[in-house]
Amino acid sequence: KAGVTQTPRYLIKTRGQQVTLSCSPISGHRSVSWYQQTPGQGLQFLFEYFSETQRNKGNFPGRFSGRQFSNSRSEMNVSTLELGDSALYLCASSPRRVQDYGYTFGSGTRLTVV
Amino acid sequence: LAKTTQPISMDSYEGQEVNITCSHNNIATNDYITWYQQFPSQGPRFIIQGYKTKVTNEVASLFIPADRKSSTLSLPRVSLSDTAVYYCLVGGAGGYNKLIFGAGTRLAVHP
Repeated sequence: KAGVTQTPRYLIKTRGQQVTLSCSPISGHRSVSWYQQTPGQGLQFLFEYFSETQRNKGNFPGRFSGRQFSNSRSEMNVSTLELGDSALYLCASSPRRVQDYGYTFGSGTRLTVV
Repeated sequence: LAKTTQPISMDSYEGQEVNITCSHNNIATNDYITWYQQFPSQGPRFIIQGYKTKVTNEVASLFIPADRKSSTLSLPRVSLSDTAVYYCLVGGAGGYNKLIFGAGTRLAVHP
């Protein structure tokens, strides 16, 4: 079956702009989580959506937001980009029984802010 | 969520067995232990998950002692392609929806 698909794979934006990243989970997975990975901070949890509702949120400023659609696809948005937002943004989806299969991650979107 | 401690890096040679130990002294009763593998510029990949004793799948084994305060990921006969970062995570399943990653263990397999 198809894995988690993230688009675009690479993105270059200018400071102050906004960006929207997309994630299509594995078919049947209703939970979608977003993570930011940087060399300095490692992998950090951004937020998680289940059935179009945000269930959990990490410690990130309000410039980072997300949403989930009825087909479980998710988008995350970063407004007023800063140089420090340059990172690999990863999306993960999970089945109902996480203990059976864990989370499946996409290959990520590499965002560079210049 | 329980904090985990792993070695920062390890070195091994092709064909050897590699054991990576993770400490999680504050693990809760309903926490599971999960290991992920990550290659550069890719998302982490689920390796194995367990609650107690021993779990084995086609790629690894997970050993969990009775007190569950630590766990050991065992990779049999590693190859160069096993060079990656390995993360140990603990948390509750079935509603547990926030993964807390530590720094992970950077495994380098040499020819």
